[in-house]
Amino acid sequence: DTGVSQNPRHKITKRGQNVTFRCDPISEHNRLYWYRQTLGQGPEFLTYFQNEAQLEKSRLLSDRFSAERPKGSFSTLEIQRTEQGDSAMYLCASSLMLGHQETQYFGPGTRLLVL
Amino acid sequence: AQTVTQSQPEMSVQEAETVTLSCTYDTSESDYYLFWYKQPPSRQMILVIRQEAYKQQNATENRFSVNFQKAAKSFSLKISDSQLGDAAMYFCSIYGGATNKLIFGTGTLLAVQP
Repeated sequence: DTGVSQNPRHKITKRGQNVTFRCDPISEHNRLYWYRQTLGQGPEFLTYFQNEAQLEKSRLLSDRFSAERPKGSFSTLEIQRTEQGDSAMYLCASSLMLGHQETQYFGPGTRLLVL
Repeated sequence: AQTVTQSQPEMSVQEAETVTLSCTYDTSESDYYLFWYKQPPSRQMILVIRQEAYKQQNATENRFSVNFQKAAKSFSLKISDSQLGDAAMYFCSIYGGATNKLIFGTGTLLAVQP
C-alpha cells in the first residue's frame, strides 16, 4: 500500500490552455474523490466516483471541468480553457466504502497556477 | 446542508504542553462521522482521528483525543505533549447521511514553540 499518488505535483499554465491531472488511489479502494483547496481555506468537494461511475458533481465543477475513472482505478481531472480563478490545489482522496463507513485518504495534491 | 466552523484561525502551544482546537458543526443527519485532518506546510493531508456520531465514547489516538459533545454539536481536538512535528494546519470535517463527501472547516494553524 503506497498511498494515494497524484501527478504532476505542480503545474503552471497560461490562461486558455488545457490541463490534465492524474490520481492513482490506494489499490482496492472503490471510491475516489476530487477536492479543490484555495489558499487559507479547507478543501471543497468537486466530484466523486464509485468504481468507474461518477456519482456526484459539485456546482463548483463548471462545464470546463471533466473527470474520468475509466477502469475504476486511476482518475483524471481535466480543465479546459483555464482561467486565473482555477489556480488552486487539486486534491484527490480514495476510500474503501464498507456499509456506511468510509475514511478518505488524501494524496499530496497538484498545485495549479494559471498565469 | 452540513457546515463546519473552526473559530480559531491560529493557535500556539509550547512544546510538551497541551492544546485544544475547537470545532462546531451543524447537520440534520442522525448518522454521521467526524474527522480531524492535519496538513503540514506543503505536505499532504493526514488523518488524525475519527469519531462515529453513534458512539458516546470519545476517540483517542495516542497523544490525540477528542471531546465529542453531540447535543452541543461540538468536536474539539486535544493534543497532549505537543511536539514540533505537530505544527500544521488542522481541519475539522464531517461526513455522512446523504452527503457522500467531506465538508471541511476553514482550518486552525497550529504553531509549536520550542
